[in-house]
Amino acid sequence: DSGVTQTPKHLITATGQRVTLRCSPRSGDLSVYWYQQSLDQGLQFLIQYYNGEERAKGNILERFSAQQFPDLHSELNLSSLELGDSALYFCASSVGSGDIQYFGAGTRLSVL
Amino acid sequence: AQKVTQAQTEISVVEKEDVTLDCVYETRDTTYYLFWYKQPPSGELVFLIRRNSFDEQNEISGRYSWNFQKSTSSFNFTITASQVVDSAVYFCALRNAGGTSYGKLTFGQGTILTVHP
Repeated sequence: DSGVTQTPKHLITATGQRVTLRCSPRSGDLSVYWYQQSLDQGLQFLIQYYNGEERAKGNILERFSAQQFPDLHSELNLSSLELGDSALYFCASSVGSGDIQYFGAGTRLSVL
Repeated sequence: AQKVTQAQTEISVVEKEDVTLDCVYETRDTTYYLFWYKQPPSGELVFLIRRNSFDEQNEISGRYSWNFQKSTSSFNFTITASQVVDSAVYFCALRNAGGTSYGKLTFGQGTILTVHP
């Protein structure tokens, strides 16, 4: 168990809908990262937050947004969902930006 | 731009065989970190090792060993006397030590390892 908690484990929704994925980092970790794993794109970095501030942005679509709250948990919001958004979404956390990232078990999103 | 290539898409071995997973990377930075993660059938990503660009010493941890060669931009992973529990997808990853995407991990495509009894 990495200590990173992601909920829900599975999410099934329809095209056009909006969902929120939640991540609680390991105790003491200030950085949270979101990654998307799909068959065609592999594991792709989406976005990083450090202590509530956005720190780095990757290949994140405009329909997606994230935030990190004062208690350091993070949410990834996906809107106007398309079939191609079906993927496994991972959250990772680390003490600081330069430290080892520990991953949660992921949220599997299925868009039908 | 950073890139990680794992040329072996799938490897199949019989238990007790040794197996090496290849990883080649590209980066313009002189300071960077390399990682290996394991993704078992249950789906989570498990951290295995981190190596920085200034430390080319090979590392051994039980049945696992890693060979970092800066001259060939490779960071290969060997499992000695493989076991069925080693069956998983293994990812090599790269992170630069600075820049605007400091925390970003760039992953390879992964190698599916199947160990048969």
